Amino acid sequence: QKEVEQDPGPLSVPEGAIVSLNCTYSNSAFQYFMWYRQYSRKGPELLMYTYSSGNKEDGRFTAQVDKSSKYISLFIRDSQPSDSATYLCAMDSGGYQKVTFGTGTKLQVIP
Amino acid sequence: NAGVTQTPKFRILKIGQSMTLQCAQDMNHNYMYWYRQDPGMGLKLIYYSVGAGITDKGEVPNGYNVSRSTTEDFPLRLELAAPSQTSVYFCASTHQGRSEQYFGPGTRLTVT
Repeated sequence: QKEVEQDPGPLSVPEGAIVSLNCTYSNSAFQYFMWYRQYSRKGPELLMYTYSSGNKEDGRFTAQVDKSSKYISLFIRDSQPSDSATYLCAMDSGGYQKVTFGTGTKLQVIP
Repeated sequence: NAGVTQTPKFRILKIGQSMTLQCAQDMNHNYMYWYRQDPGMGLKLIYYSVGAGITDKGEVPNGYNVSRSTTEDFPLRLELAAPSQTSVYFCASTHQGRSEQYFGPGTRLTVT
């Protein structure tokens, strides 16, 4: 079993839809949770960073962490074609900053 | 701030050739990392460094070497390139004590 599982997609939604992206994990020591956005042929770009359980909102993006279920989510409201990218979840136990990444979910927002 | 920069952007190597992938950051980050990204496989850690003169192996170090003589630079050396090293290579950095990493634009390497 992989430490971090992420559905690869692709996920195709119409413009304006609410998008839900998810990751599950098995290591209960993970405390720091991140979402990266990666456009085609570009480097990953940090989108959201949360510590422990709870929600964090930034504009149209909301990150949610449920440590009891070992499940994290990223919600995108009013999705735009410019949101079309691959979204990587990432998590860390806070030891030596060696982060474990999911394999990414490819999102396409259709105008 | 330029952030994390990587050169070259693209490179084609023949089997057995060597090359160095360059990475530099101007954010005064202590921690620097090299990853490779293959389709459907996510990011795999090759080597990392917690400061000048200190490096350590990651998950997939075979066939690679690194050095860290300054805080800013963290070059990755490929010796005797093999087709299995065809990949996209990303350098990243962060401050000591932080988990969020900042990535460079990547180097796309093909070994034929």
